[in-house]
Amino acid sequence: KAGVTQTPRYLIKTRGQQVTLSCSPISGHRSVSWYQQTPGQGLQFLFEYFSETQRNKGNFPGRFSGRQFSNSRSEMNVSTLELGDSALYLCASSLSGGRKETQYFGPGTRLLVL
Amino acid sequence: GNSVTQMEGPVTLSEEAFLTINCTYTATGYPSLFWYVQYPGEGLQLLLKATKADDKGSNKGFEATYRKETTSFHLEKGSVQVSDSAVYFCALSDPGDSGGSNYKLTFGKGTLLTVNP
Repeated sequence: KAGVTQTPRYLIKTRGQQVTLSCSPISGHRSVSWYQQTPGQGLQFLFEYFSETQRNKGNFPGRFSGRQFSNSRSEMNVSTLELGDSALYLCASSLSGGRKETQYFGPGTRLLVL
Repeated sequence: GNSVTQMEGPVTLSEEAFLTINCTYTATGYPSLFWYVQYPGEGLQLLLKATKADDKGSNKGFEATYRKETTSFHLEKGSVQVSDSAVYFCALSDPGDSGGSNYKLTFGKGTLLTVNP
């Protein structure tokens, strides 16, 4: 079974631009979560989607948004990029987001904002 | 809120040495506990997990026991290899503010392990 895939793997943007990242979950998985990883803050939860609905959201500004499609693929968007948005963005999928379930991570998209 | 505290390291060991990475947590309810590993340039891979008190998770020679009385989930390996060099993250399943049936992962800061031949 194919793992979680993320595109693109690397991205360079300038301040003020916007960016869209894509995530394809493992087949059959309906819950998709996004995390931001930085050296200073570590791994932080952004949001989680299930059946095209956002069920959980972390403490990030409204510039960070996401959506999920009917085939469970998900995208996240960051508008008006700031230097501090430079990070590794990780997507994870699980069957339904339950307490005991394993979240499977993709390789991440590394975003550099100049 | 819920949180995870793990020794930040870095930890440097010689091959075949014994490894312990401490992890303690603060949580309401009964979270599941996880150890993930991240190799350079890659995403996170599940190493092991435990879903209730006194459960022991194990994989590839690594072990961790869910201790509710001490709120701990320490990672151990009897004999490390150079290939174990990576960053290790302790995490718990957290319902977050939604309070619903869906859970996010709350992570510790990560521990960099370097194993020298």
